[in-house]
Amino acid sequence: DTAVSQTPKYLVTQMGNDKSIKCEQNLGHDTMYWYKQDSKKFLKIMFSYNNKELIINETVPNRFSPKSPDKAHLNLHINSLELGDSAVYFCASSQVGGSGKADTQYFGPGTRLTVL
Amino acid sequence: GNSVTQMEGPVTLSEEAFLTINCTYTATGYPSLFWYVQYPGEGLQLLLKATKADDKGSNKGFEATYRKETTSFHLEKGSVQVSDSAVYFCALRAGAGSYQLTFGKGTKLSVIP
Repeated sequence: DTAVSQTPKYLVTQMGNDKSIKCEQNLGHDTMYWYKQDSKKFLKIMFSYNNKELIINETVPNRFSPKSPDKAHLNLHINSLELGDSAVYFCASSQVGGSGKADTQYFGPGTRLTVL
Repeated sequence: GNSVTQMEGPVTLSEEAFLTINCTYTATGYPSLFWYVQYPGEGLQLLLKATKADDKGSNKGFEATYRKETTSFHLEKGSVQVSDSAVYFCALRAGAGSYQLTFGKGTKLSVIP
């Protein structure tokens, strides 16, 4: 009964390839997020979707494209992978609701991406 | 902009020692404050939170008090265990209408028997 799940857990690929990471939450939340954690453990928001609408789009290369087919899913597609994309990518979700007050974020287990 | 500063690690303690991890923040408005913990090879888990000044969050023996006057949210535990070894992140979410979390750089704690 995993609340926030990600696939795959590990992803090893060559430079220049295109890859996707999938995220699903079964908490009934209306907002989902992608974070990147670098080798020094620093976490930075990349994107957020609320009710399938993009609400946060931080300064990331446009090779990264999030897609939210429904409220329970937020996928991350990365084109033309580069060495610097190697990191752990975390998906998270929270319930915001009509008040605009965001509740606690719940994180997935992470996807460790290694670009060779 | 919003920012979180927490003490640099790594921190190494003996079992049953007292733990303090300092966290200070800069934010506009009235942020909510969080401590997340990341065990080796796992995702982040919420440890505790506080949503307004003078609130104390507590969980699993850990405590932190939201101090608006010093813009701090220090994490404390009276007696650490080996199982507490992890990376601890302080984070804030700015006031109403804000979605994203701003994280500190994390503090790695190692507890030795």
